[in-house]
Amino acid sequence: GQSLEQPSEVTAVEGAIVQINCTYQTSGFYGLSWYQQHDGGAPTFLSYNALDGLEETGRFSSFLSRSDSYGYLLLQELQMKDSASYFCATLTMSTGRRALTFGSGTRLQVQP
Amino acid sequence: EAGVAQSPRYKIIEKRQSVAFWCNPISGHATLYWYQQILGQGPKLLIQFQNNGVVDDSQLPKDRFSAERLKGVDSTLKIQPAKLEDSAVYLCASSLAQAGRYEQYFGPGTRLTVT
Repeated sequence: GQSLEQPSEVTAVEGAIVQINCTYQTSGFYGLSWYQQHDGGAPTFLSYNALDGLEETGRFSSFLSRSDSYGYLLLQELQMKDSASYFCATLTMSTGRRALTFGSGTRLQVQP
Repeated sequence: EAGVAQSPRYKIIEKRQSVAFWCNPISGHATLYWYQQILGQGPKLLIQFQNNGVVDDSQLPKDRFSAERLKGVDSTLKIQPAKLEDSAVYLCASSLAQAGRYEQYFGPGTRLTVT
């Protein structure tokens, strides 16, 4: 089966840096994705890691360690608009089928 | 480009009634997904289509849920009869078949309340 663990809530102040961790147990692991979802909104893609290491996209970075079954999302220079839920999701491959399994999400609250 | 369209946005029904949701994916996206998102949880895949064929429906409660994708474009998800525990947001997503990043584009969802 598939399981993902991430903190349920994180609070930080504007301008700060926050790291959201994700550990997973899965078979057929192919990569780790991160999605952002504002209240009442649709999930939107942030990043994807297939290989070990850090991927940087503007203020957001994502890291993957396949040997540790661990990844994190790093948000820098936090802004109020970053208040949202963040989901890690494992991409698995089997018999030509690719599927995403989402974690329960981390609710980030950015305070002034 | 236009995003994933879903309708209706909200639906309230009584238990044992039936309901249908509609999704129009991004043009050219071969893969379409239906997810169920219960409040406070992550999206859970219900069914995945590649063009108009079912790739994965292992988590679809087939005794009450059904889905089809007509001509490899639009899709409908139906619940009959609904139960209280079906109250959730139903998200439709689409992706390019061979997207390297496997990025999925989500629609705004349909919020279903079963009373």
